[in-house]
Order: sequence, then C-alpha cells, then structure tokens
Amino acid sequence: GAGVSQTPSNKVTEKGKYVELRCDPISGHTALYWYRQSLGQGPEFLIYFQGTGAADDSGLPNDRFFAVRPEGSVSTLKIQRTERGDSAVYLCASSLLPGAATEAFFGQGTRLTVV
Amino acid sequence: GQQLNQSPQSMFIQEGEDVSMNCTSSSIFNTWLWYKQDPGEGPVLLIALYKAGELTSNGRLTAQFGITRKDSFLNISASIPSDVGIYFCAGRGTGNQFYFGTGTSLTVIP
Repeated sequence: GAGVSQTPSNKVTEKGKYVELRCDPISGHTALYWYRQSLGQGPEFLIYFQGTGAADDSGLPNDRFFAVRPEGSVSTLKIQRTERGDSAVYLCASSLLPGAATEAFFGQGTRLTVV
Repeated sequence: GQQLNQSPQSMFIQEGEDVSMNCTSSSIFNTWLWYKQDPGEGPVLLIALYKAGELTSNGRLTAQFGITRKDSFLNISASIPSDVGIYFCAGRGTGNQFYFGTGTSLTVIP
C-alpha cells in the first residue's frame, strides 16, 4: 500500500481480555517499529523488527506484550490480560532499511481503551 | 524508555511570525528527525538530518543537527494557521530504534 496501515483504528476491550493490533507496513520496507503514545506524551519505543526477527524488544513493558512478524511484512502486537494502564495509542512505523540514512513513516495508530 | 527534552512545551504565536523549537539529549545521536502530529493522526515526517552540523530546509521549515550530536532545532518561518499541531523530535543512536521528544504544541492565531 501507499502508506503504513493499522487496524483497527479504535479498540475498546474489557480489563483482562486479550487484544491483537495489526500493522501493514509500506511495501518493501524491511524495518518495522511499534510505539505506544499516551495522552500528552511523545511516542515510546516498544519493539523493532528487522525482517522476521525482533532485533530489539527492550521497550516492551512486561511479558503481557508480544509482537510477531512471521513473513517479514505484516506485524501483530499482542497484549494479554489487558489492564487499564495499557490504554494508549499504539503506533506502527516502517522504514526501507534499518541503520543510518533511513526515515521511519508512521501509520495513523490504533487507539486502545481498556475499560 | 528514553525521552528527549523538547522546548518550549507550548507556543502561541501570531500568524506570520517565525517559530523556533529545540530538542536536547544526554546521549549522542546519529540521526535526528522532526515530525508533526495532528489530533488523531500518526506523526508525519518533516525533516531528516544525518550529519553533525547539517542544516536542512523543507519549504518554510529549517532544521539543524547540532555539532555536539546531542541537540537539534527546528525553525518555521512565516507561520500559517495550518502549522498548528504538535511537533516532535526523534533521535537514533547506535541502535535502530528512535527515541522521541516530549513534544512542542504550536498554536497559530490568525
């Protein structure tokens, strides 16, 4: 597609439920990033993929969060046993290559609300 | 996670005025990016900087990569109402993840 696509755009779930958030990066982009943005804050890094593998998952807050990218394109961020504190906008970005001289382009985000 | 310090936190300016905002970090970065975010949207890339001392323009926007590699600034000349939004800096070090600033909220008064 022309840009990074994220689905759903909004998700409301009950505390304790499991959710999956999907990111479809720009075609041909090998690097994919997940960020979380709370109200009034800048995006906070969660995890970065290079191809199919998670090259850096140091930003995942705890083991309830997990992400996959099985074919090196679409990625899914999975959150188990959701808590109210997980409510935020989850942003996905992709770039053509990792490393220097590359730019990351963002999707419109998924707004997750845990009630 | 690491966040960069951005200032000012918010700005209210008259249409036509110039704007300057900056971003500082305790860490050295190899890349600086500047993004604009409108409500309900993802950040949109404005300018990318790759070398210390680099000065890059994109229309009315000008950004510089500080020579210490720990700071960057963004200038907007002759502001217009559609410049309203939140501006974020982002830096990348030796890893490949980007760390974002705390944001500068810009309001342009017609």
